[in-house]
Amino acid sequence: GAVVSQHPSRVICKSGTSVKIECRSLDFQATTMFWYRQFPKQSLMLMATSNEGSKATYEQGVEKDKFLINHASLTLSTLTVTSAHPEDSSFYICSARELAGVNTGELFFGEGSRLTVL
Amino acid sequence: GQSLEQPSEVTAVEGAIVQINCTYQTSGFYGLSWYQQHDGGAPTFLSYNALDGLEETGRFSSFLSRSDSYGYLLLQELQMKDSASYFCAVRAYTGGFKTIFGAGTRLFVKA
Repeated sequence: GAVVSQHPSRVICKSGTSVKIECRSLDFQATTMFWYRQFPKQSLMLMATSNEGSKATYEQGVEKDKFLINHASLTLSTLTVTSAHPEDSSFYICSARELAGVNTGELFFGEGSRLTVL
Repeated sequence: GQSLEQPSEVTAVEGAIVQINCTYQTSGFYGLSWYQQHDGGAPTFLSYNALDGLEETGRFSSFLSRSDSYGYLLLQELQMKDSASYFCAVRAYTGGFKTIFGAGTRLFVKA
């Protein structure tokens, strides 16, 4: 199946700093990627849809100025958590759908990035 | 908006069969997916139903009834490695395609 790679897998930062997380589709082109956030033992909450070459679409309640998304190429989307605070500590996971998977509903997920803000 | 309901926990023994139900309310419904997630790992795709009926993939089967807004995941011949969280997820079109996940069902398989 298609491979999505996410980096870094773990990051610890100080409060007030910004953190960038990268999501790459390694063997396919992804015009659309999705960013999710997951708290321990909870569901995946869709934060935003990242669209190549255009602005991301954010879900209700997600601050677009806090969670900056850039999708500059067909294989790379980045999520930047700006001015991070302890409450932003979470597991961030990106996903993408291969073109062939449009009708199968299959999302391929990155390995996830665990952010800890001190 | 979208909402999904599934049981929070299910416990079963090795070799048994377990069914995890999912009901949903959504606009722009396209299909229902199931994902498995082990602790600390990323979700992996199990199945997708766009039409009514049963889809079988090895030990796992998934069912959808669009008229009832209901689906289930059936796991047969349970193995210890099946202990994980299972999420149902609706694929919906609301100005763009998106996939919204349920709260997840933690499955505990006992020897």
